Amino acid sequence: IAGITQAPTSQILAAGRRMTLRCTQDMRHNAMYWYRQDLGLGLRLIHYSNTAGTTGKGEVPDGYSVSRANTDDFPLTLASAVPSQTSVYFCASSDSTGAADTQYFGPGTRLTVL
Amino acid sequence: GQNIDQPTEMTATEGAIVQINCTYQTSGFNGLFWYQQHAGEAPTFLSYNVLDGLEEKGRFSSFLSRSKGYSYLLLKELQMKDSASYLCAVRDSNYQLIWGAGTKLIIKP
Repeated sequence: IAGITQAPTSQILAAGRRMTLRCTQDMRHNAMYWYRQDLGLGLRLIHYSNTAGTTGKGEVPDGYSVSRANTDDFPLTLASAVPSQTSVYFCASSDSTGAADTQYFGPGTRLTVL
Repeated sequence: GQNIDQPTEMTATEGAIVQINCTYQTSGFNGLFWYQQHAGEAPTFLSYNVLDGLEEKGRFSSFLSRSKGYSYLLLKELQMKDSASYLCAVRDSNYQLIWGAGTKLIIKP
């Protein structure tokens, strides 16, 4: 069982380019999340999906979009990358969205926008 | 605004005990999580507290006081592999997780 996989592991991208970060989970979890992690800051939620077919905006959604066509996949797209989007991106999933539900994280994608 | 405060960095000695504090001010409270994150890796779940008191899990324990907006993670019999960042997160009234910046724990032999 792989859990959550993310691709690519790392990427260097020119500003203005479009980029999709992939996330796939095999745990049949209903909820999925995208976070960014920057030095000195806590994980910040970009977008989330409580169940397939629905998405919502987190704390820092500007410049990012997501889709949730099925249970397993939750891609994150940067339509036109900017240097401030340089970060480590983590995808996470949880069985549901209850108070005690634990989020499980993928290995992350390290993105550098030049 | 919502705020989670943790010390930026702590140093401890192998075999000793260390306590990592977390204070929070959030809109509502639906539980507090501790995660461990080794450098370059994903966060992994350690503990969850929703009621006041101490939860013990092997060498790790987590304490919560809701009235004080305070939690700590206690690590006993420290091992070199415990060198990592420890993240505190609170689930708010919207059931979103609000994360602290993490405490980097350095273990010295």
